[in-house]
Amino acid sequence: AQTVTQSQPEMSVQEAETVTLSCTYDTSESDYYLFWYKQPPSRQMILVIRQEAYKQQNATENRFSVNFQKAAKSFSLKISDSQLGDAAMYFCAYSTYNTDKLIFGTGTRLQVFP
Amino acid sequence: DAMVIQNPRYQVTQFGKPVTLSCSQTLNHNVMYWYQQKSSQAPKLLFHYYDKDFNNEADTPDNFQSRRPNTSFCFLDIRSPGLGDAAMYLCATSTGLAARASTDTQYFGPGTRLTVL
Repeated sequence: AQTVTQSQPEMSVQEAETVTLSCTYDTSESDYYLFWYKQPPSRQMILVIRQEAYKQQNATENRFSVNFQKAAKSFSLKISDSQLGDAAMYFCAYSTYNTDKLIFGTGTRLQVFP
Repeated sequence: DAMVIQNPRYQVTQFGKPVTLSCSQTLNHNVMYWYQQKSSQAPKLLFHYYDKDFNNEADTPDNFQSRRPNTSFCFLDIRSPGLGDAAMYLCATSTGLAARASTDTQYFGPGTRLTVL
């Protein structure tokens, strides 16, 4: 069975600094997708970034980038130039090509200090 | 703007009193999902519809039912809410394209927070 593990329940970062959130997963599939979703307090979950497993190039979206290590089954999220609005719960998630379902990690709560 | 809408945002019910949560979408997506999210936990998938095809998760209690009368609307019915059912209920949608021409992002609604007294 596929699993997603986020080993950091909480992280904190100072405004304008860089922080990296860790995620590992377990799968026997070769084709799959990986996602980072952000859930701010009392607000809806939104997609931050996604990565197709067949792509070797790491995905980037403005200040957000991933370090995708397929052999190690690792998918970390780097947030550069952290802003107060980045404070949220971040969920790493996985899905395969032949299913519409997401498997979520347990989340990392990110605090951003001024 | 196209979006996923959930009503109500907050729902209070009594122990054992049936309650219905609603979700609507203007994205014209094929797939609609219902998740249960308890405090500081990951969302847990209850079931999803691919068009009209209902897909129940093996560990979803019988107390939870769902209806999808058309593409735009999906309902979550809790027949006899217990104290353990107090949670945030999230609705999400995705295109669900079999060809997977693009990664299949799920779009989430704001959630309904259910309180059981």
